[in-house]
Amino acid sequence: AQTVTQSQPEMSVQEAETVTLSCTYDTSESNYYLFWYKQPPSRQMILVIRQEAYKQQNATENRFSVNFQKAAKSFSLKISDSQLGDTAMYFCAFMRWSGGSNYKLTFGKGTLLTVNP
Amino acid sequence: DTAVSQTPKYLVTQMGNDKSIKCEQNLGHDTMYWYKQDSKKFLKIMFSYNNKELIINETVPNRFSPKSPDKAHLNLHINSLELGDSAVYFCASSRGLAGFNEQFFGPGTRLTVL
Repeated sequence: AQTVTQSQPEMSVQEAETVTLSCTYDTSESNYYLFWYKQPPSRQMILVIRQEAYKQQNATENRFSVNFQKAAKSFSLKISDSQLGDTAMYFCAFMRWSGGSNYKLTFGKGTLLTVNP
Repeated sequence: DTAVSQTPKYLVTQMGNDKSIKCEQNLGHDTMYWYKQDSKKFLKIMFSYNNKELIINETVPNRFSPKSPDKAHLNLHINSLELGDSAVYFCASSRGLAGFNEQFFGPGTRLTVL
């Protein structure tokens, strides 16, 4: 079974600074998907960024980028120019590549990020 | 327009009662999911339906029964509610099963069992 580990339960950063959230995972698969989801206080789950394991290039979405190290099974999220609205719980998630019953997101326990003014 | 909606948003009930949570998506997706988020914020898949067919059933007590009357709806019925059922339940949908299809989440239903 796949597991996703987020070793930082809480982090804080000053507005406009850069912060990196860590995520490691365990799988024997060679192809899979990795995700970062954001859950602000409103409780809504929002997809931040997605990475296909077969792609060597790290995904980026505006201020959000990942550092995907496949051999190390590491998938960290970097938030540049942090904004107050980035305050949220961030979840790392894993999904296998194929197979009907495998199409499920396995989540880490989350990292609560607080952006301070 | 709300893409994935859930009703109710809050549900407070007594132990032993039976309750339902409804989910509807207007995205034209054919796959829907139920997730449970516990008090420690841990999110776990419960069920997944694709074209009204049950695809994933993750060791959930059989007191929980999902029902998909059509592709746009996936309801969750819970019998004989227990204290441990208190959680936030999220519905989600995606276009197809593959991982490259983004899952869109509803706002969640906070269930409190007294």
